[in-house]
Amino acid sequence: GAGVSQTPSNKVTEKGKYVELRCDPISGHTALYWYRQSLGQGPEFLIYFQGTGAADDSGLPNDRFFAVRPEGSVSTLKIQRTERGDSAVYLCASSFSGRGTGELFFGEGSRLTVL
Amino acid sequence: DQQVKQNSPSLSVQEGRISILNCDYTNSMFDYFLWYKKYPAEGPTFLISISSIKDKNEDGRFTVFLNKSAKHLSLHIVPSQPGDSAVYFCAASNTGNQFYFGTGTSLTVIP
Repeated sequence: GAGVSQTPSNKVTEKGKYVELRCDPISGHTALYWYRQSLGQGPEFLIYFQGTGAADDSGLPNDRFFAVRPEGSVSTLKIQRTERGDSAVYLCASSFSGRGTGELFFGEGSRLTVL
Repeated sequence: DQQVKQNSPSLSVQEGRISILNCDYTNSMFDYFLWYKKYPAEGPTFLISISSIKDKNEDGRFTVFLNKSAKHLSLHIVPSQPGDSAVYFCAASNTGNQFYFGTGTSLTVIP
């Protein structure tokens, strides 16, 4: 498809387990963002990639969270030793330039539930 | 600390009337502002944006106003339509990498 694709759309896991969330951005978009949205809140920045490198990972809450984008396209957000507080919708977005002056195109999100 | 605030969690408007959604920010370095619309079970979709060098940007039924001295922006929708019912997020950026989002305002347009 032409939009940002995220898988899985829903993930239920147990506390302490490892989770991977995948994002396939719009073709040709060099910038890729991960956001987290908790209930009743706006999207909260996690990490930003420009090409293959993480240009800004200051939003990652702790070292249990890690993201990669090895070929500058698909990205994977990895969460180790999940906790109940990690339950949220994880949104991926891409943009053409990532210079902060263009719109972000969001995927539908991956809803993570940690039991 | 919330740098972008939407103090009204919800708003109801009659079809055909004007909807005004408000947003305040605290960081004077923000120079680019956007509004996103979100339907349930979908990701946010871009609606309209404004650069800090402007105080107004209009796109069809949607107009965004920026008051830099007050650190305030607003989105006007006129005339409002039932299909406009959604959650609206404002976002701000300082041409860096991060877009900061507000907590959203749920708009209901009553037919």
